[in-house]
Amino acid sequence: DIVMTQSPDSLAVSLGERATINCKSSQSVFYSFNNKNYLAWYQQKPGQSPKLLIYWASIRESGVPDRFSGSGSGTDFTLTISSLQAEDVAVYYCQQHYDTPLTFGGGTKVEIK
Amino acid sequence: EVQLVESGGGLVQPGGSLRLSCTASGFTFSSYDMHWVRQVTGKGLEWVSAIGTFADTYYPDSVKGRFTISRENAKNSLYLQMNSLRAGDTAVYYCARIARGGSYTRGYFDLWGRGTLVTVSS
Repeated sequence: DIVMTQSPDSLAVSLGERATINCKSSQSVFYSFNNKNYLAWYQQKPGQSPKLLIYWASIRESGVPDRFSGSGSGTDFTLTISSLQAEDVAVYYCQQHYDTPLTFGGGTKVEIK
Repeated sequence: EVQLVESGGGLVQPGGSLRLSCTASGFTFSSYDMHWVRQVTGKGLEWVSAIGTFADTYYPDSVKGRFTISRENAKNSLYLQMNSLRAGDTAVYYCARIARGGSYTRGYFDLWGRGTLVTVSS
């Protein structure tokens, strides 16, 4: 199984400041035949179900604010919130869909400092 | 409105069975691969099962032989039959839609339901 490791487990950021979440996979999730990284990011607000933010490692889902961005390739990925807003308080998960079983990172809780 | 609504959760004794349902609306259900994903309260996400548009299925080892995923396109419905339930199966169960364009076992989830809670306890 591909193990997804997120860091940190939690972080507190001031409003308007940058938040950076890391995700590392135990093996590469990059497919050279289509030049894509099989990595997605989700946001889960308290009491809600997960919501897709980013797919193919760096493509924002429709309707997601452009302060959210994804980067990275191979085994190392980053989700960045460029200017944290109050509504961004949530747990963020990465997920690999390179191979079965599909696996998620353990989550990173983002709070306001 | 495009949505998924789960039902069927509840309290069940260890070794018992439960059938979850998920009703889709607002999109052509038959054209999408569908999955179940669970989440222990306060913990992370675990993929539980997958079913493709041709009703091909796939399971992780943790539930293989105990859980069965199925679909009924005429009713826009997805199901999860859970047998031989264990305390470790206690979780919120979400149905989730795989975004179009990939293999039914290798996709990301672009739509989630609100979940239904399954509690396995004596």
